[in-house]
Amino acid sequence: TQLLEQSPQFLSIQEGENLTVYCNSSSVFSSLQWYRQEPGEGPVLLVTVVTGGEVKKLKRLTFQFGDARKDSSLHITAAQTGDTGLYLCAGVGVETSGSRLTFGEGTQLTVNP
Amino acid sequence: DTEVTQTPKHLVMGMTNKKSLKCEQHMGHRAMYWYKQKAKKPPELMFVYSYEKLSINESVPSRFSPECPNSSLLNLHLHALQPEDSALYLCASSLGGNQPQHFGDGTRLSIL
Repeated sequence: TQLLEQSPQFLSIQEGENLTVYCNSSSVFSSLQWYRQEPGEGPVLLVTVVTGGEVKKLKRLTFQFGDARKDSSLHITAAQTGDTGLYLCAGVGVETSGSRLTFGEGTQLTVNP
Repeated sequence: DTEVTQTPKHLVMGMTNKKSLKCEQHMGHRAMYWYKQKAKKPPELMFVYSYEKLSINESVPSRFSPECPNSSLLNLHLHALQPEDSALYLCASSLGGNQPQHFGDGTRLSIL
């Protein structure tokens, strides 16, 4: 069974602060996605990383895939209240069917004005 | 706006009712998925269809019955549900393989 450990589970910060969310596993993933979900909506895809060591930037968000493709991080610079939401990492394992995503437990981020 | 459309957005039903959830995508995706999500938790996979054939059933109770009439549509038929089945039901689609999944906004289901 593949597991993705996501931390922290809850994060409450002030607008303008920086933060990092981590996803770690002992398993190798062929790709990893990050999603953000707001109340009453489905998860929205933010990024997909596929290459070990890959770094992708999306405005104030920086995503990194570990060299061994077992871990990933999401860094937000100068957080805004609009960044509030549930952040989910999800990976496709190299040993499993490409149709099966392994989700982390999620990070509930609250950015206070 | 999501490219995966789910209807209805909200559904309240009694334990003896029969209802259906619908999902539609026009991105040419050949894999479609049903997930169940409880509050503040990640989605849990229920079913996967690949090229209109059921490829994964995660030991879901038979009171949930999926159907894929064509490559763009996915239904979930509900019958004799229990209160613990109340949740957000999400549909997703992808090109398959390790390509990312795109989610709809879900149907919020409440069982009385």
